[in-house]
Formats: sequence, structure tokens, C-alpha cells
Amino acid sequence: GQQLNQSPQSMFIQEGEDVSMNCTSSSIFNTWLWYKQDPGEGPVLLIALYKAGELTSNGRLTAQFGITRKDSFLNISASIPSDVGIYFCAGPTIRGAQKLVFGQGTRLTINP
Amino acid sequence: KAGVTQTPRYLIKTRGQQVTLSCSPISGHRSVSWYQQTPGQGLQFLFEYFSETQRNKGNFPGRFSGRQFSNSRSEMNVSTLELGDSALYLCASSIRSENTEAFFGQGTRLTVV
Repeated sequence: GQQLNQSPQSMFIQEGEDVSMNCTSSSIFNTWLWYKQDPGEGPVLLIALYKAGELTSNGRLTAQFGITRKDSFLNISASIPSDVGIYFCAGPTIRGAQKLVFGQGTRLTINP
Repeated sequence: KAGVTQTPRYLIKTRGQQVTLSCSPISGHRSVSWYQQTPGQGLQFLFEYFSETQRNKGNFPGRFSGRQFSNSRSEMNVSTLELGDSALYLCASSIRSENTEAFFGQGTRLTVV
């Protein structure tokens, strides 16, 4: 089935640094979703992308829908301690359905 | 607007028992999906319901089932529990069943002993 390859798997950064992570697929996606999950909680939707080439921001977060429709990128600027968590990309596997496939996640750790 | 509510938050069951988990979607959302999250397999799709009908199903055995009520609330049931069913079960709701944002609840942590 469709798989999303997310990288890097983990990141250790200093507070204030910028962060970049990406997600790639062998199949075309019509929607890309980025989530953040804290321990013991459900994923929280950060950004949704619907058009190839689209660049969308949410505060210090910026995400892009790749023009090939097979990848997406998430950037976090000027990281702060509350950015710690696991970031997931996701996309619907079937056009017109809410069946999402998720990447393996990027675990972000911030050194104070 | 209240978010997605899942009950209970934590559950401990023994092998062979069955369990029912509940999900109340965001008001106005008609699509409810269920996911299983484990350290080894990550987040995996179980099934999706829209207007009381199962629209899609993931690759899980028949022991996993669900339903949706006319008020869009959903339940999932796991029968004959196995140790490997221990996981965080997440429910997500969407306004409609296609190409739209899915909002997750806090999940139900199921431990099978």
C-alpha cells in the first residue's frame, strides 16, 4: 500500500534554531496534513495543504505542498521548548475518502 | 466548540475479553475515523464511518468492528482481546468524508494483560 517516508526520524536542536523536515511518497497525494503529537495525547492538526505548490503558514510554522504532489515540507522557525514533540505528515490514500496514511514521525528534542 | 471526545481515557482488560470505546465528534462533523497507534506500527487506519455507514476499512481482523449512530457518535469494539491489541486508539472527526482536515481526540489507552 501507499507509504509516507518521513525524515529525519529525530532531531536534537538548540532553542532558537530553525527546523526542517520532509515527507515523501511514491504515489501522488491530493492533500497533505501535518500533525504534532505530545506524549499520551492525540495528534493536533497544524497545517493542511490542498494544492500543489501551495505554501501555508501557521505562526512560526510553514508547510509546502510539493509541485510533484509526492512530497511535502514543514519548517519551524526560531524553535521554543513547547515545540518538543513528534511531528507527523499524513495524506488520504483514497481520493474522496478520509482514510489517512501517516509517516513514521519526526521526534523533535530541544536543548535549552 | 468542543473538540473530539473519547471515553474512557484508559482501560485495562485481560486476554479474551471484549472492549467498547466511544467517540463523540466535533459538532457538525459527520465523518468519524478510527486509528490504532503502537510504537512498532505507528498510526494505522482501522475504519471510517459517514452517515452511519462504514465507508472504508483497514487491514485489521474481524475482531475489530465499529458503528456510527444517527448523531454521528461512534463506537468501536474489539472482541477476544489479544496482548498485541494494547495500543492507543484514536478517533478523528471531519466535516465530510473527503479531502478535508481530520481532528483527533486524546485517545483511549488500552492495555491488555
